[in-house]
Amino acid sequence: KAGVTQTPRYLIKTRGQQVTLSCSPISGHRSVSWYQQTPGQGLQFLFEYFSETQRNKGNFPGRFSGRQFSNSRSEMNVSTLELGDSALYLCASSLGARGLNTEAFFGQGTRLTVV
Amino acid sequence: AQSVAQPEDQVNVAEGNPLTVKCTYSVSGNPYLFWYVQYPNRGLQFLLKYITGDNLVKGSYGFEAEFNKSQTSFHLKKPSALVSDSALYFCAVRVSSGGYNKLIFGAGTRLAVHP
Repeated sequence: KAGVTQTPRYLIKTRGQQVTLSCSPISGHRSVSWYQQTPGQGLQFLFEYFSETQRNKGNFPGRFSGRQFSNSRSEMNVSTLELGDSALYLCASSLGARGLNTEAFFGQGTRLTVV
Repeated sequence: AQSVAQPEDQVNVAEGNPLTVKCTYSVSGNPYLFWYVQYPNRGLQFLLKYITGDNLVKGSYGFEAEFNKSQTSFHLKKPSALVSDSALYFCAVRVSSGGYNKLIFGAGTRLAVHP
């Protein structure tokens, strides 16, 4: 069974540009969550999608957005990039959105560097 | 506020010795607790989870964790450490949010196992 696939693995962008990251969850998983990982802030929850709808959102500015498609694949977009957006962006999939006992499975992440 | 704390930034242990990585939590209701490991430039790998039942949970790679309700702790343990166990370890709790749920992570503990 294929794991969570994130593309691309690495990105270098310039301040002010926008970027789109992609995540394909494990087959059959309908919930996709996104996290930002930085040395200073650790792992921070961005948002979660289930059945093409955003169900939860973390404390990030509106420049961070996402969407989920009917096949459960998800994209996140960051507009007007800032230097502080440099981070490892992790996608996680799980079977459903309501099960508190459900573990999440993570992709390898996309390393975004803003210069 | 619901939270997870990992009081140690780094744990150093000699190969062959037992290891403990500490985690405490603060949640309302029953806790659903998880441990993840992250190797350099990789995503998070699921190690184990506590949902209910036995306070000692066994997971992948010989790791186990002990749930203690009175101390609100969920410490990760391994009887005999390997150099290859050196990595970043995250404790997490899944909490309910608006009918759905999300993972809240601790800051992470870097485990260094010395030969």
